[in-house]
Amino acid sequence: NAGVMQNPRHLVRRRGQEARLRCSPMKGHSHVYWYRQLPEEGLKFMVYLQKENIIDESGMPKERFSAEFPKEGPSILRIQQVVRGDSAAYFCASSPEEFGVGVQPQHFGDGTRLSIL
Amino acid sequence: SQKIEQNSEALNIQEGKTATLTCNYTNYSPAYLQWYRQDPGRGPVFLLLIRENEKEKRKERLKVTFDTTLKQSLFHITASQPADSATYLCALPFSGSARQLTFGSGTQLTVLP
Repeated sequence: NAGVMQNPRHLVRRRGQEARLRCSPMKGHSHVYWYRQLPEEGLKFMVYLQKENIIDESGMPKERFSAEFPKEGPSILRIQQVVRGDSAAYFCASSPEEFGVGVQPQHFGDGTRLSIL
Repeated sequence: SQKIEQNSEALNIQEGKTATLTCNYTNYSPAYLQWYRQDPGRGPVFLLLIRENEKEKRKERLKVTFDTTLKQSLFHITASQPADSATYLCALPFSGSARQLTFGSGTQLTVLP
């Protein structure tokens, strides 16, 4: 009964390169969320997706960042032309379909630690 | 704007005592509140969810209260153990989007043997 799987666990990129972070939700979960955690700071919401749809991207920077959750395969968070300030831990969470809005807990992966040289 | 405060960055207690962590919020009327545990290098792990119409919820040695008048939640760990040492996060749904969770910055609990 695998939990939320994120890979890679650690990713090193040079400034200007692209970073691709992958997230496989728990089996049966159709909702995926991405959060960013900067050192000594709390988790900040970035984007919420359902299969093939972006539902809420209000926490994601308008430039360089994009997210997708295709019909088949994992959710991908893509950061283009990375800068030093993108260094952080990126966490993915998932939750099942529910019958009452907002009452299901989110199940988190162990994150991808992105370091920009 | 909405704000969550966990009023202790760090809390040290002796093994066997009860740890009490506080989460205060402003400009919110959340339908529920959640508590998570996070260990170093790991993702948050869900512990408890309490709804606005529930005053108290228990799970084994854990107890959560939710006072919507004071806009405060208290998280208690009774008979604390060194294995309870971790960072504890409270989270509330963002008013504009029930599925977007807003997290507090956490309280780092250390249980001393």
